Amino acid sequence: AQSVTQPDIHITVSEGASLELRCNYSYGATPYLFWYVQSPGQGLQLLLKYFSGDTLVQGIKGFEAEFKRSQSSFNLRKPSVHWSDAAEYFCAVGAVKAAGNKLSFGGGTRVLVKP
Amino acid sequence: EPEVTQTPSHQVTQMGQEVILRCVPISNHLYFYWYRQILGQKVEFLVSFYNNEISEKSEIFDDQFSVERPDGSNFTLKIRSTKLEDSAMYFCASSGTGGNQPQHFGDGTRLSIL
Repeated sequence: AQSVTQPDIHITVSEGASLELRCNYSYGATPYLFWYVQSPGQGLQLLLKYFSGDTLVQGIKGFEAEFKRSQSSFNLRKPSVHWSDAAEYFCAVGAVKAAGNKLSFGGGTRVLVKP
Repeated sequence: EPEVTQTPSHQVTQMGQEVILRCVPISNHLYFYWYRQILGQKVEFLVSFYNNEISEKSEIFDDQFSVERPDGSNFTLKIRSTKLEDSAMYFCASSGTGGNQPQHFGDGTRLSIL
């Protein structure tokens, strides 16, 4: 069965500092991996995805993530955080089916940005 | 950019009542999903729907739940007789053709059962 662990429940970072959010997955085959962000009162917005190929993927809002198969990780990074990045971030792994892909989510990491 | 829309944003219902949550997926998408997030817990998969039938469902999706695509644009989740533990945020999502298409989510419906 597929699963995702996000070890950090909360992270506080100063504006302008770098940010790294950890994600570890468990999946029996090549995973499809995603990062979503949820601002208060909003839905889940896709930041980036990994399906195959280059293990460093670029996303929206200046985020990137690196797939490391040997570590079963897909950590999200941003070099310089803006106050608007304060939100909850979810890592997800997809099970590929013939029709659609069920997502399993991690528990989320809430990011607080200090001025 | 096209988006998934959900109505209502907040639904308050008495225990035992039926509730229907509505979603309008992105127009050219063919795969539809419902997820829920109980307060303080993970987002959980409920059901996926393709070609007018359920393609997969979780253990949560018991006989109290049903989904329907009543017309060419709407996708609904019905809970027949609500329980207190059904209180959660319910997210609808849709994706395009193929297993590697990302899912696009709506803003969710917060369901409160009294």
